[in-house]
Amino acid sequence: NAGVTQTPKFRVLKTGQSMTLLCAQDMNHEYMYWYRQDPGMGLRLIHYSVGEGTTAKGEVPDGYNVSRLKKQNFLLGLESAAPSQTSVYFCASRKKMNQPQHFGDGTRLSIL
Amino acid sequence: GIQVEQSPPDLILQEGANSTLRCNFSDSVNNLQWFHQNPWGQLINLFYIPSGTKQNGRLSATTVATERYSLLYISSSQTTDSGVYFCAVDGPKAAGNKLTFGGGTRVLVKP
Repeated sequence: NAGVTQTPKFRVLKTGQSMTLLCAQDMNHEYMYWYRQDPGMGLRLIHYSVGEGTTAKGEVPDGYNVSRLKKQNFLLGLESAAPSQTSVYFCASRKKMNQPQHFGDGTRLSIL
Repeated sequence: GIQVEQSPPDLILQEGANSTLRCNFSDSVNNLQWFHQNPWGQLINLFYIPSGTKQNGRLSATTVATERYSLLYISSSQTTDSGVYFCAVDGPKAAGNKLTFGGGTRVLVKP
């Protein structure tokens, strides 16, 4: 059971480039989340999804887009990367409300 | 939104010592989780504990929901316990039941 898998683990981009981060879960979870973690801070929610085909904005959605075309996958896109988006990105999933969230190992992204 | 405060912000322990970490939250919650972020950055689920007491080896946690706090106990600490401990909560009003994280307690266990 792989749990929550994030791809890639590391990436360096130049300002203005675009990329997509992939989150895959094999636990048949309904809810999926994308968070970012900046130095010395806890995690902040970017976007989330409460089921296949649905997405919603979190606390810090600007500059990001997401898609949930398949229940097991949640994609996070950066259309035009900026240095302020340098961060560690975590994906999480949960079966339903009142269940714990399970986290992937993170993607370390640097924007030069 | 809900506020989550953790104390102390930093903790230095000698191997073998016991410690208590605290998490206070400002509103009623549906869920509360404790995580350990290890030196490699991985977030490890420790406890899912919206109320009551749970134990897992040398770690235990207690949440008193009516008084809006949770405690994480580390007994007989080991160097592998080093890292940052996060408390995270979500409440009935949280969109998508997103987790709100506290600022963390950074723990260093010295040999």
